[in-house]
Amino acid sequence: DQQVKQNSPSLSVQEGRISILNCDYTNSMFDYFLWYKKYPAEGPTFLISISSIKDKNEDGRFTVFLNKSAKHLSLHIVPSQPGDSAVYFCAASTTGGYQKVTFGIGTKLQVIP
Amino acid sequence: DVKVTQSSRYLVKRTGEKVFLECVQDMDHENMFWYRQDPGLGLRLIYFSYDVKMKEKGDIPEGYSVSREKKERFSLILESASTNQTSMYLCASSFIEGVTYNEQFFGPGTRLTVL
Repeated sequence: DQQVKQNSPSLSVQEGRISILNCDYTNSMFDYFLWYKKYPAEGPTFLISISSIKDKNEDGRFTVFLNKSAKHLSLHIVPSQPGDSAVYFCAASTTGGYQKVTFGIGTKLQVIP
Repeated sequence: DVKVTQSSRYLVKRTGEKVFLECVQDMDHENMFWYRQDPGLGLRLIYFSYDVKMKEKGDIPEGYSVSREKKERFSLILESASTNQTSMYLCASSFIEGVTYNEQFFGPGTRLTVL
């Protein structure tokens, strides 16, 4: 049973437009959420995170929104750039407990120049 | 910069062989993790370790074991490799700071093929 779901396996966006990647979770004990980016032949790299006490966190072109009542989070990239083309993994964790993280299956973003 | 290195980028083994995947981190992280990445399944946690000689099963530990004799090194062992263990294996590490989550730093991955 997938506790972290990314229902869109792929997404194509024009350069300069907004990319919105979505993620749903089922475990109400999750209280910390992260997004990782992965290029081919490289390990994932941390992008942005949000604690459950917040509903928005912004870092440059990247913003993560959290809707706890809907158990939904989204990553917005504005403006999208060709270098953003990668696989994006949504991840969730509970604080404490050795920081075990549950990942989604990933969404492949292609930004078209 | 944190660096997590994995012993091989590509590995080809035969069914039944014993396989060792090595991971080393240079940031004195307490936590270390082993994941496998498969198409359509994302990253799945195999084992993790929060201290030397300590280990915990992840979501898919069957067919694997781990060893952590030194803080900087975490080894994944396939006791008898099988074709369904063909996958990308990713190692990661992170700090413990109270109860605050800290990001995991990943190695480049080892693409293992079992024939």
